[in-house]
Amino acid sequence: DGGITQSPKYLFRKEGQNVTLSCEQNLNHDAMYWYRQDPGQGLRLIYYSQIVNDFQKGDIAEGYSVSREKKESFPLTVTSAQKNPTAFYLCASTSGGDGANVLTFGAGSRLTVL
Amino acid sequence: DQQVKQNSPSLSVQEGRISILNCDYTNSMFDYFLWYKKYPAEGPTFLISISSIKDKNEDGRFTVFLNKSAKHLSLHIVPSQPGDSAVYFCAASPLRGGTASKLTFGTGTRLQVTL
Repeated sequence: DGGITQSPKYLFRKEGQNVTLSCEQNLNHDAMYWYRQDPGQGLRLIYYSQIVNDFQKGDIAEGYSVSREKKESFPLTVTSAQKNPTAFYLCASTSGGDGANVLTFGAGSRLTVL
Repeated sequence: DQQVKQNSPSLSVQEGRISILNCDYTNSMFDYFLWYKKYPAEGPTFLISISSIKDKNEDGRFTVFLNKSAKHLSLHIVPSQPGDSAVYFCAASPLRGGTASKLTFGTGTRLQVTL
């Protein structure tokens, strides 16, 4: 079945450590996105990539980095510069065109900083 | 500045009755609206959408109404079922297609359908 796989599902990190969240899709989608969800807030866009080897900052990119070396993969690194990294992270992809806003999401990764 | 607002954090409805989830927006440039449904520990899934050229879109038990002059949309679920219990996010974009990078999400409404 086609879909998006995020790993790990749960991750604990000590302050000052970088962590990388994996996102893989087999939907042949060109565009991929990373969102952050906090309690009582909507999904906020961290980074997005419309094509391989290219990505743009979203609304809350500070303290995060991404790469897009393959169409299927869009990993997110949460760096020590991110002041409040504890959150639920969602990766999504879309086919673009008229369906660009119809996102397919992964199951999410919950990051907790100890 | 919250451009998409869902003022009811939670809603409880009896099975079989109508659920009405509301969403207000402030940006007059928004042209395309969507509803996503999210179960705990899962990612959201697309439910239904509406373009600003329409005032209603229906898909089975789900109907979305758009009132552009009031900058208000609502999602009606009839009849409500226990499996509809989830968090519902309203989202809006100035573009129908091209990119989802302009999509703005509301804060969500938790719907509980009781027996």
